[in-house]
Amino acid sequence: AQSVTQLGSHVSVSEGALVLLRCNYSSSVPPYLFWYVQYPNQGLQLLLKYTTGATLVKGINGFEAEFKKSETSFHLTKPSAHMSDAAEYFCAVRTQGAQKLVFGQGTRLTINP
Amino acid sequence: IAGITQAPTSQILAAGRRMTLRCTQDMRHNAMYWYRQDLGLGLRLIHYSNTAGTTGKGEVPDGYSVSRANTDDFPLTLASAVPSQTSVYFCASSTSPWENEQFFGPGTRLTVL
Repeated sequence: AQSVTQLGSHVSVSEGALVLLRCNYSSSVPPYLFWYVQYPNQGLQLLLKYTTGATLVKGINGFEAEFKKSETSFHLTKPSAHMSDAAEYFCAVRTQGAQKLVFGQGTRLTINP
Repeated sequence: IAGITQAPTSQILAAGRRMTLRCTQDMRHNAMYWYRQDLGLGLRLIHYSNTAGTTGKGEVPDGYSVSRANTDDFPLTLASAVPSQTSVYFCASSTSPWENEQFFGPGTRLTVL
């Protein structure tokens, strides 16, 4: 069975600092990996995804993530945090051949001025 | 504007009452999903539908039922609500069950007393 673990339920960084949100997955077959963002009182929006090809993927709002098979990781980064990045971030996995997404528990990102 | 609408936005419900959460999409997506979001648990799949006329059970289906009479609508029914069903409910859709991106509605906040 596939699963997702997000390390840290709450991450706080200063405005302009590096953002690093960690995600590890377990899957017996090659996975499709996703990061979704949820702003307060809204639904989830797709931030970026990895399916095949280049392991470094770029998403919206300056975020990117790198698929590392050897580490079973898909960490989300942004070089310089902005106040508008404050939100909850969810990592999700879907294995090839499976229909459903499995979500991690979420990481709340707070940006300090 | 194309997208997913959910109703109601929020609801307080007495235990034992029946409640239907509505979800409508105008993107002609074949697949639809219902998730519940609980603090520390992320999103968990309740029920899904790969196409009109078919439904399936997700990770936490007990106490919930769904129907998919047409492409656009996917209502979620709580036959006899219990306090443990207090949660935020999200409806989502995708062009097909195998499509990687799911689009989410704004959510329904349900409180069962």
